[in-house]
Amino acid sequence: EPEVTQTPSHQVTQMGQEVILRCVPISNHLYFYWYRQILGQKVEFLVSFYNNEISEKSEIFDDQFSVERPDGSNFTLKIRSTKLEDSAMYFCASTGQGNTEAFFGQGTRLTVV
Amino acid sequence: QKEVEQNSGPLSVPEGAIASLNCTYSDRVSQSFFWYRQYSGKSPELIMSIYSNGDKEDGRFTAQLNKASQYVSLLIRDSQPSDSATYLCAVIQGATNKLIFGTGTLLAVQP
Repeated sequence: EPEVTQTPSHQVTQMGQEVILRCVPISNHLYFYWYRQILGQKVEFLVSFYNNEISEKSEIFDDQFSVERPDGSNFTLKIRSTKLEDSAMYFCASTGQGNTEAFFGQGTRLTVV
Repeated sequence: QKEVEQNSGPLSVPEGAIASLNCTYSDRVSQSFFWYRQYSGKSPELIMSIYSNGDKEDGRFTAQLNKASQYVSLLIRDSQPSDSATYLCAVIQGATNKLIFGTGTLLAVQP
């Protein structure tokens, strides 16, 4: 069964460092999303991406965040200068054309120290 | 920001019983509703989607939607210890089909 894959599963980084989280969405899906979940809190929308551009972003997704689809298969989330409060699980999700069911990757646990 | 509300629980039921999970949402124009299961430290796993008023059954799971009351529920029949997880209610909002999640209800099925 096709699935969304994310790497790495766990990333530890020092405050102020840049991190790149990677995702490979389901191959025929066209809509891509990043969500995050701070420990003990709800899953929160960060950004949606379609046709090689951001289609919507939340208040959380400030200038420190960027997304890219560099090669037609990978979908990346970059945090330029990490802060302690960026520590969370980051989930990538994708949906297909004409289908609103979103499938999530296994997540990347980001720990900023 | 439109909200999705769930009782955080924990909801404790004995093995074999029916678990009933509830969710309300504030955005009247929402049309698509989902239940995800999330085990501790894992990602959300889609278990049910519902788009029309009424009931939708899939195996031991039944989703119920009442748009007039802005209410979605999930029934789990013959609950098993392996059903113990957090159940997330999610609603699509906006043109990009982003999901707005509730805080989740922790279900504990007692053997």
